[in-house]
Amino acid sequence: DGGITQSPKYLFRKEGQNVTLSCEQNLNHDAMYWYRQDPGQGLRLIYYSQIVNDFQKGDIAEGYSVSREKKESFPLTVTSAQKNPTAFYLCATSQNSPLHFGNGTRLTVT
Amino acid sequence: DQQVKQNSPSLSVQEGRISILNCDYTNSMFDYFLWYKKYPAEGPTFLISISSIKDKNEDGRFTVFLNKSAKHLSLHIVPSQPGDSAVYFCAANTGTASKLTFGTGTRLQVTL
Repeated sequence: DGGITQSPKYLFRKEGQNVTLSCEQNLNHDAMYWYRQDPGQGLRLIYYSQIVNDFQKGDIAEGYSVSREKKESFPLTVTSAQKNPTAFYLCATSQNSPLHFGNGTRLTVT
Repeated sequence: DQQVKQNSPSLSVQEGRISILNCDYTNSMFDYFLWYKKYPAEGPTFLISISSIKDKNEDGRFTVFLNKSAKHLSLHIVPSQPGDSAVYFCAANTGTASKLTFGTGTRLQVTL
């Protein structure tokens, strides 16, 4: 069953802690993306990677970090420097095609 | 600066009628436009797209219209069905379907 797996679906953390969101794909897509969704603001691009070992900042990269050591995996770390980390995070992939999204992780930081 | 705008946060339509969702953009470099559909707690799914060389693209009940001079596109759903109830996002890019800029979404409710 090909697709994108984001885990966990719900994640809770205390303020000041770093947290890493997982994104794994078996679609063999080269490009991977992280978006966040907030009420009334649509989807905003955090980071993207078009090939292994390379990634670029999106529109709202501050307070986040990523790595792309394997084609299948593109983990996102939400650091304590991110001022408003509570959001719905979406991972997506693409291979010269429209973005294909995972089912998201809802992160709540209190 | 919101480059892709969906000015209607919500829309309610009766089953069987036409749903029209609108989207405006400001970046004249955008030349590829997409619509995504999203259910709660799920990722968006691709619905239909249009290139700027066309002014209409149709796929079953879904038709997207593009007016480049007005920097406006719309999604028509005919006939609307209860399963169409979801949030619809308009998205745009230059040249490819990746690294998209999204609008804020319109919540469509199809009533019986």
